[in-house]
Amino acid sequence: AQSVTQLGSHVSVSEGALVLLRCNYSSSVPPYLFWYVQYPNQGLQLLLKYTSAATLVKGINGFEAEFKKSETSFHLTKPSAHMSDAAEYFCAVSLAARQLTFGSGTQLTVLP
Amino acid sequence: GAGVSQSPRYKVAKRGQDVALRCDPISGHVSLFWYQQALGQGPEFLTYFQNEAQLDKSGLPSDRFFAERPEGSVSTLKIQRTQQEDSAVYLCASSLRTGTYNEQFFGPGTRLTVL
Repeated sequence: AQSVTQLGSHVSVSEGALVLLRCNYSSSVPPYLFWYVQYPNQGLQLLLKYTSAATLVKGINGFEAEFKKSETSFHLTKPSAHMSDAAEYFCAVSLAARQLTFGSGTQLTVLP
Repeated sequence: GAGVSQSPRYKVAKRGQDVALRCDPISGHVSLFWYQQALGQGPEFLTYFQNEAQLDKSGLPSDRFFAERPEGSVSTLKIQRTQQEDSAVYLCASSLRTGTYNEQFFGPGTRLTVL
C-alpha cells in the first residue's frame, strides 16, 4: 500500500519569496510521484511528475521537485512566488500506473 | 473535445434521491478514473475503467455507488438513496493508455450537495 503525507495544510509566503511545500511518501516499491495544482472550482492540473528518471524534476510555471529516496520525500519548490501561484497543491503517489493516492493538500497563500 | 468534461457541475439532492453524474473523457483515452473529494481533503479513488471494462471498484464506499462505461467512452457514476455523507466533489480523469505511466487529465468535477 502507498500513502502520502503533506506537512502543513496552509502555507503563506510573500510575493517573490521561496515557495517550499513538503511531501513525504510511503511505498513498498519504487513509486511514481506527482504534484497537482487546483484552482477554485477547477479540476486538478499536473505540475510535474517523477517516474524514475532524473531525481530533480522540472515542471510548469517555474516549479520543481526533488525525489530523495533516503528521506522518502518529494518536496515542491519555486524560487520566487507570484500572486498567481495562490492555489491548493496536492502531492500524489501511484503504483503500476493506475489510480493516484493523494495527500490532504496544502493551501498556498501569496501575500503582496 | 479539448478536455475532460463533467455534468452537471453542481447538483443538489434531497436525502434518499438517486443521482447520476456524467463524465466525457478526452476522445481516444482508454483509461477513466472516478475520485471523490470531500471538503478540505485530497481526492480519493473510487473506480477505474479500461475501455468498457471496470477493472477496479475497490474504492466505492458502498453498494449504493455504481459506475458504468458501456461503450468505452462516456461514463456515468450513479449514487442511489443519497445520504449527507455523499456530499463531495466527484472528479473524473482520463488517460491515454495503461501499462506505463500516462498523465491523468482531470475534469472540473461535479459538486454534489445532499440536504
